[in-house]
Amino acid sequence: ETGVTQTPRHLVMGMTNKKSLKCEQHLGHNAMYWYKQSAKKPLELMFVYSLEERVENNSVPSRFSPECPNSSHLFLHLHTLQPEDSALYLCASSQGPSGYTEAFFGQGTRLTVV
Amino acid sequence: RKEVEQDPGPFNVPEGATVAFNCTYSNSASQSFFWYRQDCRKEPKLLMSVYSSGNEDGRFTAQLNRASQYISLLIRDSKLSDSATYLCVVTPPYGQNFVFGPGTRLSVLP
Repeated sequence: ETGVTQTPRHLVMGMTNKKSLKCEQHLGHNAMYWYKQSAKKPLELMFVYSLEERVENNSVPSRFSPECPNSSHLFLHLHTLQPEDSALYLCASSQGPSGYTEAFFGQGTRLTVV
Repeated sequence: RKEVEQDPGPFNVPEGATVAFNCTYSNSASQSFFWYRQDCRKEPKLLMSVYSSGNEDGRFTAQLNRASQYISLLIRDSKLSDSATYLCVVTPPYGQNFVFGPGTRLSVLP
């Protein structure tokens, strides 16, 4: 039980669909992250929110749109995705600046774009 | 040069063996260091933080050499359940991010 929950766990969507991934953390942390993990590649940071404000965006295509309504919830809105976007999408949270505490991960959403 | 590099692996070792993983990082001002473990098709989970003085947790020992920008993880008396991918993680001096290495896969064989 990590304290970070993601839904759905699995998602199959067509290239014209719109879907959203949800993440919720129960740890009282003030920073939340979206990472992408593709086969045989390291985890790639997509977005970082600190105190509900986006502080980092690693040049992610606009077909991925994050939303952080409060410090406990994080969404990733998806639209017109490509097959190469198929991957494991991981949400994480941490307390304070990243230089002090570890990140806790949710179980991930395995996304397949068809 | 990649920000975080690890032994490519995979490592296949018998039960009871001692195995060491190496990791190097490019930013000399990096702040914090961790080892994570990731099982197949699961999320990464913290194994241990890495401190300048070195630290030990049971069969696991982590070392940090800031001068050489090098981190290591030693696993003694390997168990079948240690089979996983081990991820070296570094945080930069500014901004909020956890930079992951590509991971080293370990298979402990009976």
